[in-house]
Amino acid sequence: GQQLNQSPQSMFIQEGEDVSMNCTSSSIFNTWLWYKQDPGEGPVLLIALYKAGELTSNGRLTAQFGITRKDSFLNISASIPSDVGIYFCAGPRRFGNEKLTFGTGTRLTIIP
Amino acid sequence: GAGVSQSPSNKVTEKGKDVELRCDPISGHTALYWYRQSLGQGLEFLIYFQGNSAPDKSGLPSDRFSAERTGGSVSTLTIQRTQQEDSAVYLCASRPNRGYEQYFGPGTRLTVT
Repeated sequence: GQQLNQSPQSMFIQEGEDVSMNCTSSSIFNTWLWYKQDPGEGPVLLIALYKAGELTSNGRLTAQFGITRKDSFLNISASIPSDVGIYFCAGPRRFGNEKLTFGTGTRLTIIP
Repeated sequence: GAGVSQSPSNKVTEKGKDVELRCDPISGHTALYWYRQSLGQGLEFLIYFQGNSAPDKSGLPSDRFSAERTGGSVSTLTIQRTQQEDSAVYLCASRPNRGYEQYFGPGTRLTVT
């Protein structure tokens, strides 16, 4: 079945650094979604990608839909303390299927 | 507009008791999902409602788990005879009729003692 692997599993960075994480699959995805989950909260949708090669920004966040359609990338520029949390990628399991497969998550920690 | 709401935010129950968790989706959203998230883990799909169609129950871990959605809006997830391994955060999400984007509530943290 389709699985989404996220890398790295965790990151420890200093405030102001840029962050890069990715999400890979053994199968093709037609949509990629990126969510962020703060401690004690539900995931919040950050960016949605619909087309191979698409590059979309949301403030300091930029996400890309990989050309192979088997991967996606999320970058955060000039990290700030509120960026701390877990970042999940997600995509529909099959075209036309409304259930999402979620990635394993990347936990971002900012070192004071 | 109002987002997805869930109640209670926290629930502590004794092993063997039944619990009911409630989800109010975003108004107008036709699809509703329940997930379970154990501490430090990813999201585990439980059940999915879409309009008037029969729910997709393929993720329910046992027959102690059930859910209903009344009037195409509010949903209740029921766990009977709770066990300690049921302790987790239960998340609800809703989705409009088109697209794949799901919008999550804050979750209910269930602790079974």
